[in-house]
Amino acid sequence: GQQLNQSPQSMFIQEGEDVSMNCTSSSIFNTWLWYKQDPGEGPVLLIALYKAGELTSNGRLTAQFGITRKDSFLNISASIPSDVGIYFCAVTYSGAGSYQLTFGKGTKLSVIP
Amino acid sequence: EAGVTQFPSHSVIEKGQTVTLRCDPISGHDNLYWYRRVMGKEIKFLLHFVKESKQDESGMPNNRFLAERTGGTYSTLKVQPAELEDSGVYFCASSQAPGLALGEQFFGPGTRLTVL
Repeated sequence: GQQLNQSPQSMFIQEGEDVSMNCTSSSIFNTWLWYKQDPGEGPVLLIALYKAGELTSNGRLTAQFGITRKDSFLNISASIPSDVGIYFCAVTYSGAGSYQLTFGKGTKLSVIP
Repeated sequence: EAGVTQFPSHSVIEKGQTVTLRCDPISGHDNLYWYRRVMGKEIKFLLHFVKESKQDESGMPNNRFLAERTGGTYSTLKVQPAELEDSGVYFCASSQAPGLALGEQFFGPGTRLTVL
């Protein structure tokens, strides 16, 4: 099946710093998604990208759909303590009439106040 | 509006026992998904219901796992008999439609299953 390579695996940053994480794949996808999981909660959709080259922002978050359609990155600017959590990239696979999500392994973000 | 709920939040069982996980989707969402995250690995798709029908069960690991959605409302996922490698967090998600435009999948908080 599809495999997404997400990096880094974990990050420790100072409050106020910018953060960047990315996902790559050997396959082409038509949609890239970024989710955040807070402790004890399920993943929540942050940004959805539908077109190659697309750059989309959601507050302090910015994500881009790579032009090759094989990668995406997520940037967080001026990090704050509530940014702590696990960030997952994901793609949709529409085989067998189902829209299952395929996830990366996640980037665990820790913010030091 | 209530979100996706899952019960129990935690379950600790011994190898060979049976466990049943429950998911209540958002009201009106016909699509219901089960996913699992084993520690240190990615979240993996298990199966997808459209109403009471299994649309795609390609991710189910083996026949020890049985998912049902009688009446097209809540769903249960039974593991019988449980093995050590079944430990992980089981997520349920629901969506209004299968396609992406209206198909954002809303996740529940997960059930953390520990098999000893």
